Amino acid sequence: GNSVTQMEGPVTLSEEAFLTINCTYTATGYPSLFWYVQYPGEGLQLLLKATKADDKGSNKGFEATYRKETTSFHLEKGSVQVSDSAVYFCALHSGAGSYQLTFGKGTKLSVIP
Amino acid sequence: DTGVSQDPRHKITKRGQNVTFRCDPISEHNRLYWYRQTLGQGPEFLTYFQNEAQLEKSRLLSDRFSAERPKGSFSTLEIQRTEQGDSAMYLCASSSSGTENYGYTFGSGTRLTVV
Repeated sequence: GNSVTQMEGPVTLSEEAFLTINCTYTATGYPSLFWYVQYPGEGLQLLLKATKADDKGSNKGFEATYRKETTSFHLEKGSVQVSDSAVYFCALHSGAGSYQLTFGKGTKLSVIP
Repeated sequence: DTGVSQDPRHKITKRGQNVTFRCDPISEHNRLYWYRQTLGQGPEFLTYFQNEAQLEKSRLLSDRFSAERPKGSFSTLEIQRTEQGDSAMYLCASSSSGTENYGYTFGSGTRLTVV
C-alpha cells in the first residue's frame, strides 16, 4: 500500500536558519506529492505540490523537488521566520482509482527569535 | 467563497452518546472527503463522496460511523455509541473533479472529546 515517512520532530530552529524536513514515500504508479501546513488552531493548508518526477513545487519561500529515483520530496526553506512555526505534513495522492490522500505523521517546527 | 465550513468546532460528549458533525464544502466542489486526525498523527482517510454517492470507505470507518451527503452539497458524519478512542479531530475537505492533483481544501475541523 501507499505510505509516507517524515522525519521525526519537533524541530527547533533560530530565525533565519536553513530548514530541511525529509519526506520519503512508497506508492504504486506515479503519485502526486504535496506539503500541507497546519498552523495552531487552524485546518490544513496546501503549501506546495508536484505532480511528476523532477517537478519543483514552491510557495512562500519553501521548495520541494519530486525525486523519483530516491522516492523523496524533501521540504526546504533558506531562511525561516517565527511565523513559519507550524506542523508540516507530507502527503501523496496515488490516483489509480482512489481519491484519498496518504499523509505522513507531521513534523512540528518551532522557530525562535 | 467562504471555504470549507465545519460545525461544531468542538464537541464534548459522554461515552455511549451519539454525535453528528456537519461539513459545508466549497459550493462548486462536487467531491467531499472526511479524515480523522489523532494527536501527533497525520490525517487518516475515512470516506469520500462524489456528489451524493459515497464511493470510497476506509476500513477505519466501523459500523458505528455513518456519513451522508443527501443532496450532493453538505455532508454529515455520525458516530453512534461513542468510545474514548473516537476522540480526535475530524476534518472535512472538498475538491472539484479532475483537480485532485492540485490538492484539496480542508476545513478547520471538529474536535471531538469523549469523556
